Amino acid sequence: GQNIDQPTEMTATEGAIVQINCTYQTSGFNGLFWYQQHAGEAPTFLSYNVLDGLEEKGRFSSFLSRSKGYSYLLLKELQMKDSASYLCAVADSNYQLIWGAGTKLIIKP
Amino acid sequence: IAGITQAPTSQILAAGRRMTLRCTQDMRHNAMYWYRQDLGLGLRLIHYSNTAGTTGKGEVPDGYSVSRANTDDFPLTLASAVPSQTSVYFCASSDSSRGADYNEQFFGPGTRLTVL
Repeated sequence: GQNIDQPTEMTATEGAIVQINCTYQTSGFNGLFWYQQHAGEAPTFLSYNVLDGLEEKGRFSSFLSRSKGYSYLLLKELQMKDSASYLCAVADSNYQLIWGAGTKLIIKP
Repeated sequence: IAGITQAPTSQILAAGRRMTLRCTQDMRHNAMYWYRQDLGLGLRLIHYSNTAGTTGKGEVPDGYSVSRANTDDFPLTLASAVPSQTSVYFCASSDSSRGADYNEQFFGPGTRLTVL
């Protein structure tokens, strides 16, 4: 079967760094996406990894290890507006996205 | 219109009624998708369309139907609603013509549907 695992909830402090992990088992792999979803809103694209390594985009970075079926999203200099759910999704052999249940990130002052 | 729009924003529906959720995009994306999102579960694909005139079944297609008469519109129909179809429904689109290795999906604002 296909499976995406990520923690249900995490708490971090404003100004700190947090790492959200995602492990996956899918039929084929054509890239891994991270999306941000604020409560009551639509998911919005954050990052895409298809090769091993780190992709940096401002305060956000995403890492991929295909051999380990593992990715993480790193958020630096946390701001209150970063309070949201972070969704990990893998494009399978048919290029369909398989989604994790999301990690709710709570930022405390 | 900018991006993807969905209508209605929310709806309360009696069980057994027929309902069509509308989705329109103006980005000329070839691919469109319908997802449902339930608490504690990831987004689940209901139906998709890779190009106008074609549709396919996703993970949870039962009780739903779609059509893709043109590039812009992708309506989702519940023929006879049941309470288990209470959910938030998101429409999304992507431009797979950029290359199959990049399939960023853009989402509409969602429709919150309650079936009583």
